[in-house]
Amino acid sequence: ETGVTQTPRHLVMGMTNKKSLKCEQHLGHNAMYWYKQSAKKPLELMFVYNFKEQTENNSVPSRFSPECPNSSHLFLHLHTLQPEDSALYLCASSQDFETSGYEQYFGPGTRLTVT
Amino acid sequence: GQNIDQPTEMTATEGAIVQINCTYQTSGFNGLFWYQQHAGEAPTFLSYNVLDGLEEKGRFSSFLSRSKGYSYLLLKELQMKDSASYLCAVMDSNYQLIWGAGTKLIIKP
Repeated sequence: ETGVTQTPRHLVMGMTNKKSLKCEQHLGHNAMYWYKQSAKKPLELMFVYNFKEQTENNSVPSRFSPECPNSSHLFLHLHTLQPEDSALYLCASSQDFETSGYEQYFGPGTRLTVT
Repeated sequence: GQNIDQPTEMTATEGAIVQINCTYQTSGFNGLFWYQQHAGEAPTFLSYNVLDGLEEKGRFSSFLSRSKGYSYLLLKELQMKDSASYLCAVMDSNYQLIWGAGTKLIIKP
């Protein structure tokens, strides 16, 4: 247990569905992240929130929409996804962003399959 | 562009020593991280290097040479539970982590 939880752990959705991924951290951290992990590829940073404010959006398609209602919770809203969006979606948190030395703590991920 | 290179897969024997290399080219440098990821699980933090030299933590050690853009993770007295992927990541000048694709380590009895 890393102190970061994610639900659901597995999700199968059609291309016309709308679903949301949820992440919660119990570590008192100020920064939260969404990553996409595809097989044999590097982790891709999607979004960063620091003190509830979005600081990074790495050219992510608009069919992915993040929401951070408070510093402990992070959501990723999904709509009209494509099959190539099938991947492991990882949430992470760290003490702060824009400060070196702080490691990130990861949740177990949501395995997403788009049919 | 920014790039992290590490071997795709390595095999080692239980009880032996293995060294996993990582080379990087990034826009700025604010430290290098190693993470371990077992299949189907979250990556977990192993080590952080920001100055040149060797950091030892039990059976695991991590080395950094900033002038060479090079790091390695050294695992001693290998155990079967060390079978996992090992991810190298560099924090760039914008404090973003740039990740390698990971090295899958297979331990054989």
